[in-house]
Amino acid sequence: ETGVTQSPTHLIKTRGQQVTLRCSSQSGHNTVSWYQQALGQGPQFIFQYYREEENGRGNFPPRFSGLQFPNYSSELNVNALELDDSALYLCASSLDLAGGTDTQYFGPGTRLTVL
Amino acid sequence: QKEVEQNSGPLSVPEGAIASLNCTYSDRGSQSFFWYRQYSGKSPELIMFIYSNGDKEDGRFTAQLNKASQYVSLLIRDSQPSDSATYLCAVNAPGGFKTIFGAGTRLFVKA
Repeated sequence: ETGVTQSPTHLIKTRGQQVTLRCSSQSGHNTVSWYQQALGQGPQFIFQYYREEENGRGNFPPRFSGLQFPNYSSELNVNALELDDSALYLCASSLDLAGGTDTQYFGPGTRLTVL
Repeated sequence: QKEVEQNSGPLSVPEGAIASLNCTYSDRGSQSFFWYRQYSGKSPELIMFIYSNGDKEDGRFTAQLNKASQYVSLLIRDSQPSDSATYLCAVNAPGGFKTIFGAGTRLFVKA
């Protein structure tokens, strides 16, 4: 167990809807990163938050947005869902800015299916 | 060219053999390199990280890094059926905030 939790475990939505996924990081971990993992692919970096500010973003459109809260929880919001958004969404927390010697601890993921 | 490339496999080895997993990366400025194991339906779990050229050993696992060749590998000695999983190579981009994963190599260890 990594101490990182995510909810819900599974979710089914229809195209055009909006979804909010939640993550609870390890206490004291100031950084959370979100990833999208399509079937048969490696995780793709969506964005990273450090101390409640977005610290970097991957190649995802603005309809993917996030928030990080002072209590080490965070959210990933996706608007106007598309079929290709169906994937496993992973959050990963780290003590400080991810990179260098800092290890990321992954949550169990949320499986999103868009119909 | 993909930023992090791995042979998708599957790689099949008999129990007790050495499994060799390879990874190349495109950004010469990359500093940190990671190997994750991912069982089907589960999230990635960190096996090893390596930052310096050469070998790093941890139990049955050895990570090898050659920055001049932009090449990272993972050796698994005495492979066990429980090692059957997808192995993900990951690289931290310069600047540190972005981790780039390869597509993973599927490993099967036959009993």
